[in-house]
Amino acid sequence: NAGVTQTPKFQVLKTGQSMTLQCAQDMNHEYMSWYRQDPGMGLRLIHYSVGAGITDQGEVPNGYNVSRSTTEDFPLRLLSAAPSQTSVYFCASSYEGYYGYTFGSGTRLTVV
Amino acid sequence: GQQVMQIPQYQHVQEGEDFTTYCNSSTTLSNIQWYKQRPGGHPVFLIQLVKSGEVKKQKRLTFQFGEAKKNSSLHITATQTTDVGTYFCAGLTNAGKSTFGDGTTLTVKP
Repeated sequence: NAGVTQTPKFQVLKTGQSMTLQCAQDMNHEYMSWYRQDPGMGLRLIHYSVGAGITDQGEVPNGYNVSRSTTEDFPLRLLSAAPSQTSVYFCASSYEGYYGYTFGSGTRLTVV
Repeated sequence: GQQVMQIPQYQHVQEGEDFTTYCNSSTTLSNIQWYKQRPGGHPVFLIQLVKSGEVKKQKRLTFQFGEAKKNSSLHITATQTTDVGTYFCAGLTNAGKSTFGDGTTLTVKP
């Protein structure tokens, strides 16, 4: 099925561990973004990309890295996990960034 | 930076009542998008408004974009239990960088 695929769906990390959240889309969308959603809050932009090889920071980039080597994939790396990074992470893609975003089903991350 | 405010934060209605959520931006928007997120789910794109004063309808849902392109509203007529969820607006000024409001969570009593 066409869409945005995120893995894993759930993850528990210990403080200080690193990991990569995977995101892949098969719609040939140029624009991809990572958001985090905390309870009772909206979606805050972490990083985004307007095409392969191009990335930029959103409003909450600290502690996260991204890269975009292909159009399809946009992984998010947590460098040294902290309890404040406990959240639900959503990856989203859009045609040219101007049209509606298609979201993945999310990764629920707990840092202990 | 750009801010998008959404009110109310929560709305509890009896099934059959109407519901409205409002979205206000600190800057002029090129477009505004609306999403629905069911409990435990992910945001799903509903609609996009582009033109000043634009009004669009999807069955019982009516979306409006203000004349100044700084505010928008979503109105649901005769709510149903299937309308439960959080409704987000997202304002776009620069392509690829939408700013989401904090959402309005709707609960419906049957």
